Amino acid sequence: EGQLLESGGGLAQPGGSLRLSCAASGFTFSDYAMGWVRQAPGKGLEWVSGISASGGSTYYGDSVTGRFTISRDNYKNTLYLQMNSLRADDTALYYCAKEPWSEDAPDAFDIWGQGTMVTVSS
Amino acid sequence: DIQMTQSPSSVAASVGDRVTITCRASQDIGTWLAWYQQKPGKAPKFLIYTASSLQSGVPSRFSGSGSGTDFTLTINSLQPEDFATYYCQHSKTFPITFGQGTRLEIK
Repeated sequence: EGQLLESGGGLAQPGGSLRLSCAASGFTFSDYAMGWVRQAPGKGLEWVSGISASGGSTYYGDSVTGRFTISRDNYKNTLYLQMNSLRADDTALYYCAKEPWSEDAPDAFDIWGQGTMVTVSS
Repeated sequence: DIQMTQSPSSVAASVGDRVTITCRASQDIGTWLAWYQQKPGKAPKFLIYTASSLQSGVPSRFSGSGSGTDFTLTINSLQPEDFATYYCQHSKTFPITFGQGTRLEIK
C-alpha cells in the first residue's frame, strides 16, 4: 500500500507564493499520474491540478490556471505544486493524490495524503 | 465545465438501514464517475470507480449504478462506521469536478 506525505503549507500573504511537496513511497511513482485536490475549511472537495506519469502533460482547474504550476521529479519520487499570486480563497487543506491505473492523466484517486494546510491572509 | 449535483445534501438514517445517494451530471459523462467517503479530519477514501466497480477492500454493502447523467450510491445495512460525507466525482473531461457532498448522519 502506498503512502503520500505532503509538506510546504503555511501562512502566506495575498499575492505571495508557496511551494507544496508530496513525497511518495510504497509504489512505483513514475508509473502513475498524480493530482492535487483541495478542501477549504468546512467545504467540499475541489480538484486543483493533475500531471501525467512522465510529467509531459499537465492539467489545471479554472480557478488556478495561470497562477499554479504542477510538476514532478520521478527520481526523487516527489510531486510539487508551485502556487503564485495567492488569494484568500486559496485557503484550504491541499491533498496530494494518486491515480489508480493510468500513466496519462488522473481520472480518479485511490491513495491520498493527509494534506497540508495553506492559509492566505494579511 | 461539467457540474455535479448530489442529493440530498444531508440524510439521517439508522444502523441497518439502506441509503441511496444520487449524483447528477450536467452533461453525459458515460460511466466516468467515482465515489469517495470522507470522515471528519481524514482524507477521502476511494470507494467506487467507473460508476459501479467496487474498489478493492471496500465492503460489498456499498454499490454504485448509473450511466450518462444519473448515478446512485447505495449502502445496504448501514454500519456505524459508514456515517460520513460522500462525494461523487467525474473524470469525463478536464477540469475534473466533485459533487458538493452528501452528509450521512445517525438518526
